[in-house]
Amino acid sequence: DAGVIQSPRHEVTEMGQEVTLRCKPISGHNSLFWYRQTMMRGLELLIYFNNNVPIDDSGMPEDRFSAKMPNASFSTLKIQPSEPRDSAVYFCASSSHRDRVVGGPNTEAFFGQGTRLTVV
Amino acid sequence: GNSVTQMEGPVTLSEEAFLTINCTYTATGYPSLFWYVQYPGEGLQLLLKATKADDKGSNKGFEATYRKETTSFHLEKGSVQVSDSAVYFCALIRHNQGGKLIFGQGTELSVKP
Repeated sequence: DAGVIQSPRHEVTEMGQEVTLRCKPISGHNSLFWYRQTMMRGLELLIYFNNNVPIDDSGMPEDRFSAKMPNASFSTLKIQPSEPRDSAVYFCASSSHRDRVVGGPNTEAFFGQGTRLTVV
Repeated sequence: GNSVTQMEGPVTLSEEAFLTINCTYTATGYPSLFWYVQYPGEGLQLLLKATKADDKGSNKGFEATYRKETTSFHLEKGSVQVSDSAVYFCALIRHNQGGKLIFGQGTELSVKP
């Protein structure tokens, strides 16, 4: 398997523009996570999905951010309009999870290489 | 709620020194515990894991034991190398509600020759 694939790897955009980040999870994984990493705030969980359903989006900073998972093999994180303070590295991760199954195989999350977003 | 707390960095050590990075957690039930490592300019990679109490995870000379009585999962290595310089993250996965993956704030390790 190629692992978690994110695109683009780097994105530079002007303030006010729409930005769409993409993620392809590992085939067979049913949980998907979006994280943002900055020097100031560290690694923040923005939203996660289980079986394509958003479970917890409490980390999404504001209405400018939205995420979708239309099927098991694809997710997007959209920022509209973008602002300079959105500049960060955005990571997608996936895992295989079943509720209330403790110690099952493959419970760890695998991360993509990240998208470095710069908003100028 | 569920949370992970790590010792603050940066931690600076000389090559071949002993390493301990403390991690404690708060969680209901029996989460799985993980250590991830992030090398400069890269994504996070799983370093080791433990899925139940008293399990010891190990990899590349690193070890951590799942201690339920102290709710801890401290990372140790007997002799660090310059190539171990990275940021280390302790994390847990809840075993309900879709498996939320929760990270500590990360500890930067710098190993000097």
